[in-house]
Amino acid sequence: DVKVTQSSRYLVKRTGEKVFLECVQDMDHENMFWYRQDPGLGLRLIYFSYDVKMKEKGDIPEGYSVSREKKERFSLILESASTNQTSMYLCASSGAVLHSNQPQHFGDGTRLSIL
Amino acid sequence: QKEVEQNSGPLSVPEGAIASLNCTYSDRGSQSFFWYRQYSGKSPELIMSIYSNGDKEDGRFTAQLNKASQYVSLLIRDSQPSDSATYLCAVNRFSGGYNKLIFGAGTRLAVHP
Repeated sequence: DVKVTQSSRYLVKRTGEKVFLECVQDMDHENMFWYRQDPGLGLRLIYFSYDVKMKEKGDIPEGYSVSREKKERFSLILESASTNQTSMYLCASSGAVLHSNQPQHFGDGTRLSIL
Repeated sequence: QKEVEQNSGPLSVPEGAIASLNCTYSDRGSQSFFWYRQYSGKSPELIMSIYSNGDKEDGRFTAQLNKASQYVSLLIRDSQPSDSATYLCAVNRFSGGYNKLIFGAGTRLAVHP
């Protein structure tokens, strides 16, 4: 089974702090994704990566950056946290990017509160 | 128009009944369709995938795809209270050289004893 592990289930930070969310997968997947999930808005893609050191913007990248130094690890960075970034953050991974039939597998999520 | 639309619910069905969850999508080029189940406070869990028109059955779950009508559905037979969750429809979108999944906002299912 695919295992996607997010470093924290719950996190509380203050406005203006730099926040790091970590994600590790154990299936040697090429692709990794960061989403946020808000009530009524569903899952929205923030950034994704299809290879080490590669990254692409998703639909809502503003205020975020990412890092992928190793294939198994994908980090989401909130450069200067703001209250509107309070949300559930979900990391996912999947196989080859050109194959549309690859499902994504999710970690347990990090519920982030910015005070 | 949203790319992937689902009725938010809640859809309430009695235990033992068939629950029918529906999803429409706008991109005619989509090739892959997925259903995820998400319990409250948990992450989405993949339960079904479908790629060809018609039905695909897996235990109590049946996914149905009609590409001409841009419609995908999930049937849950013999519904159990443990099926109470939010069900997310996801559809692939190929753009900029990459495949991404576009998620609907989900339908909340409540199965009552």
